[in-house]
Amino acid sequence: GAGVSQSPSNKVTEKGKDVELRCDPISGHTALYWYRQSLGQGLEFLIYFQGNSAPDKSGLPSDRFSAERTGGSVSTLTIQRTQQEDSAVYLCASSLVGPRRGGELFFGEGSRLTVL
Amino acid sequence: AQTVTQSQPEMSVQEAETVTLSCTYDTSENNYYLFWYKQPPSRQMILVIRQEAYKQQNATENRFSVNFQKAAKSFSLKISDSQLGDTAMYFCAFASMNRDDKIIFGKGTRLHILP
Repeated sequence: GAGVSQSPSNKVTEKGKDVELRCDPISGHTALYWYRQSLGQGLEFLIYFQGNSAPDKSGLPSDRFSAERTGGSVSTLTIQRTQQEDSAVYLCASSLVGPRRGGELFFGEGSRLTVL
Repeated sequence: AQTVTQSQPEMSVQEAETVTLSCTYDTSENNYYLFWYKQPPSRQMILVIRQEAYKQQNATENRFSVNFQKAAKSFSLKISDSQLGDTAMYFCAFASMNRDDKIIFGKGTRLHILP
């Protein structure tokens, strides 16, 4: 398809396990974003990539969270030693241009993570 | 740091009525973009409308329009002739024109259009 693709759509894991979430952006989109959506908390910014580089990683909640993007395309968000408070929907979005040019974000359907 | 505040967690209006969703933001910058995004139930988030801060004219997209008050740092969304399909979470968002690092979202307003 032509949209942003995220996998898995649903992930249930046990506390302490590592999880990897994948985002496949729209082809040609140089900007890629990860957000976390929790009930009542809106969209929490995690990280932004321009190409393969992330200018600001300060949005990642702790050092258990990491993200990378390779080939200017696919991105993975990894959460190590998951905790119950990590339970949320993780949204990925891509854009033709970066935030300073006001590019429209195209969102995926999200990966719902439940940590038991 | 920029912040975006949406003071109405939830609203309900009758179909065909006009509704206004509030958004305020805090920034020391002069050049930026503001956005409204819509997240329908169980569907993907989509852009509703975008405003450049240097433009005095309020953006409009069909039944959707904004009231941008730069001095007050206010950016409300007006939906005219509301339809059942407008039922969704609405998020206000901010992006700086000076920095290429993030787009900040508010906590959202859940809007119910009643038949």
